[in-house]
Amino acid sequence: DVKVTQSSRYLVKRTGEKVFLECVQDMDHENMFWYRQDPGLGLRLIYFSYDVKMKEKGDIPEGYSVSREKKERFSLILESASTNQTSMYLCASSGTPVLETQYFGPGTRLLVL
Amino acid sequence: DAKTTQPTSMDCAEGRAANLPCNHSTISGNEYVYWYRQIHSQGPQYIIHGLKNNETNEMASLIITEDRKSSTLILPHATLRDTAVYYCIVRRTGANSKLTFGKGITLSVRP
Repeated sequence: DVKVTQSSRYLVKRTGEKVFLECVQDMDHENMFWYRQDPGLGLRLIYFSYDVKMKEKGDIPEGYSVSREKKERFSLILESASTNQTSMYLCASSGTPVLETQYFGPGTRLLVL
Repeated sequence: DAKTTQPTSMDCAEGRAANLPCNHSTISGNEYVYWYRQIHSQGPQYIIHGLKNNETNEMASLIITEDRKSSTLILPHATLRDTAVYYCIVRRTGANSKLTFGKGITLSVRP
């Protein structure tokens, strides 16, 4: 079974703090994704990576950065957390080729005070 | 990617089949139909996908109409643990094709 794990299920941070969200997958997948999910807005893609050290902006990259130093690990960084970044953050991974079904982690619920 | 339309909610009795419909009338030839579900406070879970043939796996069956403009996800024997939001998604293959989740359909399985 594909396993995608995220470092925390719940996180509380203060405005202005630097926040690191970690995601690890154990299936040697090339592609990894970070989404955020908010009520009424569905899932929105923040960043994705299709290879080590490669990254591409998604639909809402502002206020976020990412790091992929190893194939199995994809980190999302909030450089200076703000209250509008309170959300559920979901990591996903997919392999190649063809259909690239995405498998999701359990999510991190982040509260920024 | 093509847009999908699903009812807002439905319910079914435990042990009965749950048939979840999805319309995707603007689907194009190279787009697949995917189904995911999300149980409350968890990440989305992949269920099944198909192009034009009907598909079955250990979780569900996917029936796609001949014109591919609609599909139905069938959970043959619904259990209480199947209560979730079910998302029908149409997407192309190809590198890094993102998933666009709509509002989905909330399935409530009653005892």
